[in-house]
Amino acid sequence: AQTVTQSQPEMSVQEAETVTLSCTYDTSESNYYLFWYKQPPSRQMILVIRQEAYKQQNATENRFSVNFQKAAKSFSLKISDSQLGDTAMYFCAFMKNNNNDMRFGAGTRLTVKP
Amino acid sequence: NAGVMQNPRHLVRRRGQEARLRCSPMKGHSHVYWYRQLPEEGLKFMVYLQKENIIDESGMPKERFSAEFPKEGPSILRIQQVVRGDSAAYFCASSTTITGGYNEQFFGPGTRLTVL
Repeated sequence: AQTVTQSQPEMSVQEAETVTLSCTYDTSESNYYLFWYKQPPSRQMILVIRQEAYKQQNATENRFSVNFQKAAKSFSLKISDSQLGDTAMYFCAFMKNNNNDMRFGAGTRLTVKP
Repeated sequence: NAGVMQNPRHLVRRRGQEARLRCSPMKGHSHVYWYRQLPEEGLKFMVYLQKENIIDESGMPKERFSAEFPKEGPSILRIQQVVRGDSAAYFCASSTTITGGYNEQFFGPGTRLTVL
């Protein structure tokens, strides 16, 4: 079974600074997908970034980037130039190739302070 | 193009009543997924459906819970004889036909169920 672990229940960062959220996972699969979702107070789930396990290059989306370490089964999210609107719960998720159920971590509550 | 729609957004039921949650997928999407989010936890997969078929219900409790996705109309998640432990946010997601590897799941806003 696949498990996803987020070891930081809460984090805070000053506006305009950089923060890194940690995620580790456990799987015996070689091909899979990893995701970071943002859940603001509205509770809408918003896809932030996606990484295919077969790609060595780390995914980047504007201010969001990941550090994907396949051997270590680690998938951290870096948010640069943090903005107040980044305040939200952040969930790391795993999906096997050709599968349909995503496994989510317990989440990290990020607060961006002015 | 409207996103995934769920209704109601908030639902209050007393113990023993039935809860019926609806999900309309994005236009052109034929795959629907239901997830449950307990307070202070991540989402947990419940069931995956295509039109008129349940593909994977490995995450759904064996009793009191059922799901359907009819040929016409929204997908329905039904919880019979609700108990306080059913209080949670229920999210629906939809995707296009799986063509190999991965198809992005688009999430609805969720239904928050409160059982009194």
